[in-house]
Amino acid sequence: RKEVEQDPGPFNVPEGATVAFNCTYSNSASQSFFWYRQDCRKEPKLLMSVYSSGNEDGRFTAQLNRASQYISLLIRDSKLSDSATYLCVVGENQAGTALIFGKGTTLSVSS
Amino acid sequence: NAGVTQTPKFQVLKTGQSMTLQCAQDMNHEYMSWYRQDPGMGLRLIHYSVGAGITDQGEVPNGYNVSRSTTEDFPLRLLSAAPSQTSVYFCASSQPGLAGGNEQFFGPGTRLTVL
Repeated sequence: RKEVEQDPGPFNVPEGATVAFNCTYSNSASQSFFWYRQDCRKEPKLLMSVYSSGNEDGRFTAQLNRASQYISLLIRDSKLSDSATYLCVVGENQAGTALIFGKGTTLSVSS
Repeated sequence: NAGVTQTPKFQVLKTGQSMTLQCAQDMNHEYMSWYRQDPGMGLRLIHYSVGAGITDQGEVPNGYNVSRSTTEDFPLRLLSAAPSQTSVYFCASSQPGLAGGNEQFFGPGTRLTVL
């Protein structure tokens, strides 16, 4: 079975901290990569796509290392509102329609 | 736009009962899919559709049927409910090929308990 592995956490950090999540995937032919955010008892929502060159969206930075089959998400200056579960998601095609989800990493940011 | 809607939000069934989980989207997306999410597990794909009249199996299709007669609707049928089907079910849609088209939009989920 194709797999996506994440550290389940929980990661407990104070406001303002920097936190990093890691993810590995088993299928070297995977073509698309994402981080989704899921709040408690809610549906997942796309946080950001991950590109080979790395990409940034405000306080969030995603990196992809295809050789190591490794994806990361860095959150800087954590906010209380960042508390959620972060899902690493890998697509078997460019369209992102054949997705494999990791189990998620839980983040709790406290004041 | 309502996005992706799912009904019901909650459902309790007895073993052996059948029911249909409804999913609809108003974004004219070609691709729709059903996932289940169990504690300690990632979302797992049950069935998907790349357009009206076309469906295919995902990772965990046993015990479920789907059909796609229109672009908007993608119902999931439980044929004979079993306790192992107790889960949270999410429907999702996307439109591959558009800018940002690989974003999956999820419905709010249906929480199903089978006794």
